[in-house]
Amino acid sequence: AQSVSQHNHHVILSEAASLELGCNYSYGGTVNLFWYVQYPGQHLQLLLKYFSGDPLVKGIKGFEAEFIKSKFSFNLRKPSVQWSDTAEYFCAVNAAGTYKYIFGTGTRLKVLA
Amino acid sequence: NAGVTQTPKFQVLKTGQSMTLQCAQDMNHEYMSWYRQDPGMGLRLIHYSVGAGITDQGEVPNGYNVSRSTTEDFPLRLLSAAPSQTSVYFCASSSPAGGAGSYEQYFGPGTRLTVT
Repeated sequence: AQSVSQHNHHVILSEAASLELGCNYSYGGTVNLFWYVQYPGQHLQLLLKYFSGDPLVKGIKGFEAEFIKSKFSFNLRKPSVQWSDTAEYFCAVNAAGTYKYIFGTGTRLKVLA
Repeated sequence: NAGVTQTPKFQVLKTGQSMTLQCAQDMNHEYMSWYRQDPGMGLRLIHYSVGAGITDQGEVPNGYNVSRSTTEDFPLRLLSAAPSQTSVYFCASSSPAGGAGSYEQYFGPGTRLTVT
């Protein structure tokens, strides 16, 4: 069965610090990968997605993620975080050709001004 | 397009009461799904539908019913609410994107349900 692991449950950073959130999945076939962000009191918004091609994907608000197939990983990065990045971040996996998504448990990021 | 809409935004129920959470999308998406979000557990799939008249169970279906009579609507019914169903519920719909077999999911604003 597919599963998604986000190892960092809570992360606290100061503004301008660099961010890397881990995401690993278990599935042997072709996958589509996503990172979603949920700001306090709001619904999930798509940050970035990977379907195929260049494994380094750039998303909105300066975020990027790298798909490393050999490590089954899709880590999210941002070189310099801002206070407004305080939110919960979810990694999700979708087996190619299917509709179903599997979500990780989320990482709560707090950025100190 | 309004995208994915959900009503109500907030609801308080007493144990044993029933209610229906509404979800609608105007993007003509075939696939729709319901998730519940609980602290530390991420989003868990309750039920999903791959088209009108077709539904299936997700990871946590117990205590919930769904139906899909039209492409646009996918209501979630709680037959007899329990405190364990206190959660935030999100509806989502998917469209093909980025090539064959790739789908992008759009989320509604959520319904915060409290069962006392």
